[in-house]
Amino acid sequence: AQSVTQLDSHVSVSEGTPVLLRCNYSSSYSPSLFWYVQHPNKGLQLLLKYTSAATLVKGINGFEAEFKKSETSFHLTKPSAHMSDAAEYFCVVSERGRGGGNKLTFGTGTQLKVEL
Amino acid sequence: EAQVTQNPRYLITVTGKKLTVTCSQNMNHEYMSWYRQDPGLGLRQIYYSMNVEVTDKGDVPEGYKVSRKEKRNFPLILESPSPNQTSLYFCASSFSGTGDYNEQFFGPGTRLTVL
Repeated sequence: AQSVTQLDSHVSVSEGTPVLLRCNYSSSYSPSLFWYVQHPNKGLQLLLKYTSAATLVKGINGFEAEFKKSETSFHLTKPSAHMSDAAEYFCVVSERGRGGGNKLTFGTGTQLKVEL
Repeated sequence: EAQVTQNPRYLITVTGKKLTVTCSQNMNHEYMSWYRQDPGLGLRQIYYSMNVEVTDKGDVPEGYKVSRKEKRNFPLILESPSPNQTSLYFCASSFSGTGDYNEQFFGPGTRLTVL
């Protein structure tokens, strides 16, 4: 069975400093991995996805993530935080479910706070 | 504009009063799904549908029903709501339920309160 662990429920950074949101996963097969962002009172928006083409994945708004199979990690980073990055971030793993379709498993989320 | 829409966005109801939350997508997606989001638990899948007339249970299906009579619509039905179904609900769709390119597009959410 697949699972996702987001290691920090809250992360606080200063504007202009790097962001690191940590995610570890467990999967029986080669998974697809995603990061979604949820701004207050909004739906979820895809930031980036890993589908085995390249281990370093670039997403929107300057975010990127590196897939490390040996560490079963898919940490999300950004070199310089902006106030507009304040949101909740979800790491998601996808693999084939019992019904044949893809099953998504969400992490519990990391709330990112950006301070002046 | 390509989107997933949900209605209503906010709903306060009482225990036992049947309700339906509608979900519609205009992207001709085969796959649709319902999730509930609760603090500290992330999103958990309630039901999903691989295509018209094909639905299956997710991780937390108890107390919910769904139907998929048309490709674009996937309503969520609570026959007898209870307070533990107070939550934020999201509908999502993707082009296909299989394969690597299964990015899901999410609706804006429905905040349900059951008193």
